[in-house]
Amino acid sequence: KNEVEQSPQNLTAQEGEFITINCSYSVGISALHWLQQHPGGGIVSLFMLSSGKKKHGRLIATINIQEKHSSLHITASHPRDSAVYICAVRLGGQMEYGNKLVFGAGTILRVKS
Amino acid sequence: KAGVTQTPRYLIKTRGQQVTLSCSPISGHRSVSWYQQTPGQGLQFLFEYFSETQRNKGNFPGRFSGRQFSNSRSEMNVSTLELGDSALYLCASGLVSGQGYYGYTFGSGTRLTVV
Repeated sequence: KNEVEQSPQNLTAQEGEFITINCSYSVGISALHWLQQHPGGGIVSLFMLSSGKKKHGRLIATINIQEKHSSLHITASHPRDSAVYICAVRLGGQMEYGNKLVFGAGTILRVKS
Repeated sequence: KAGVTQTPRYLIKTRGQQVTLSCSPISGHRSVSWYQQTPGQGLQFLFEYFSETQRNKGNFPGRFSGRQFSNSRSEMNVSTLELGDSALYLCASGLVSGQGYYGYTFGSGTRLTVV
């Protein structure tokens, strides 16, 4: 079993829909990242979370440390949101494991107009 | 403010050769991490450098090595290239304080093709 599991693997939505991508992990972590990768493009770090909730524009990320679960929500989705969204966790305590990230397999999101 | 710079962007090498990739982090960032991305394995952690010291290493063979210079720039080297080393190699820089990591930023990557 992978240490980081994402669901769904693929997601197709209509423009304007509310989207949720889930991430579950089985190890102790110090932080969780949500990353975005466009086809052929580099990776953009959307959020880094260690607790609670963060919001940036139409994107919202939440984390529940006790349940070892995080969600990324996109409100009023748009075709330009089409990308691969990747969940990554930083293992261990704040400084214990340095900066070793373990990645989920990614969710391929396609938003149709 | 300049981002993370990786050079070269694209590279084609022959099996058995060696290759060196470069990563210049954001000014003030002392942590540089390297990752390999392939269609089959996804993103995998290679190693992390902080203040010229390797802090962490992923599960890659000894052919993969790296170093960091006093100006925080980092290089990774792959010797005796294999076809399976064809991948996008990404580096990320981070600002580290007593409370942890901040300002985590990825470079655009170097796409290595081994023929």
